[in-house]
Amino acid sequence: KNQVEQSPQSLIILEGKNCTLQCNYTVSPFSNLRWYKQDTGRGPVSLTIMTFSENTKSNGRYTATLDADTKQSSLHITASQLSDSASYICVVSPKPNDYKLSFGAGTTVTVRA
Amino acid sequence: NAGVTQTPKFQVLKTGQSMTLQCAQDMNHEYMSWYRQDPGMGLRLIHYSVGAGITDQGEVPNGYNVSRSTTEDFPLRLLSAAPSQTSVYFCASHPGGRNEKLFFGSGTQLSVL
Repeated sequence: KNQVEQSPQSLIILEGKNCTLQCNYTVSPFSNLRWYKQDTGRGPVSLTIMTFSENTKSNGRYTATLDADTKQSSLHITASQLSDSASYICVVSPKPNDYKLSFGAGTTVTVRA
Repeated sequence: NAGVTQTPKFQVLKTGQSMTLQCAQDMNHEYMSWYRQDPGMGLRLIHYSVGAGITDQGEVPNGYNVSRSTTEDFPLRLLSAAPSQTSVYFCASHPGGRNEKLFFGSGTQLSVL
């Protein structure tokens, strides 16, 4: 059973608009949560990493939030650009230096002009 | 700085054939791993290594072998290819440490007929 669930599965937004992606996890124990961006035909690239004590982390127009109590995270994309079209993957690490990560299936974002 | 390099980019095999997917990194990372990515599913860990001479199984190791003779290289061998091994394969490396990010290669798309 996948311990990391992402929603929606896909979404389409107009260029310049904002959007929010959701990630719910049941992984326990929990060390950190990561968001990755994966362009079509490429490997995932790290956007943010948050430990259980962090509530928010930004990387340019990307802002991730974390609620460790409810085991929920979100990724907010501000003023979307065509280059934001990609799959966004939520990844949970169970404990420090444990590399057996749990990956969500991803949310596919399509930005249209 | 090349990062993580995977070859080949595409491969078609017949059932029963064997082959090796190559992965090399030039960042002197101790940790390397192989994942497979299937539609609608999160990345799944096949095998990983925490240093030269040390390998271990991940979530889906059956049908795959690995070895780590040097820090730089971590090849993945398919012993007798099956249609169920049709997937996109990603190699990743990690510098170690609690909150460091994974660096992924660009992937190998494998089709087994």
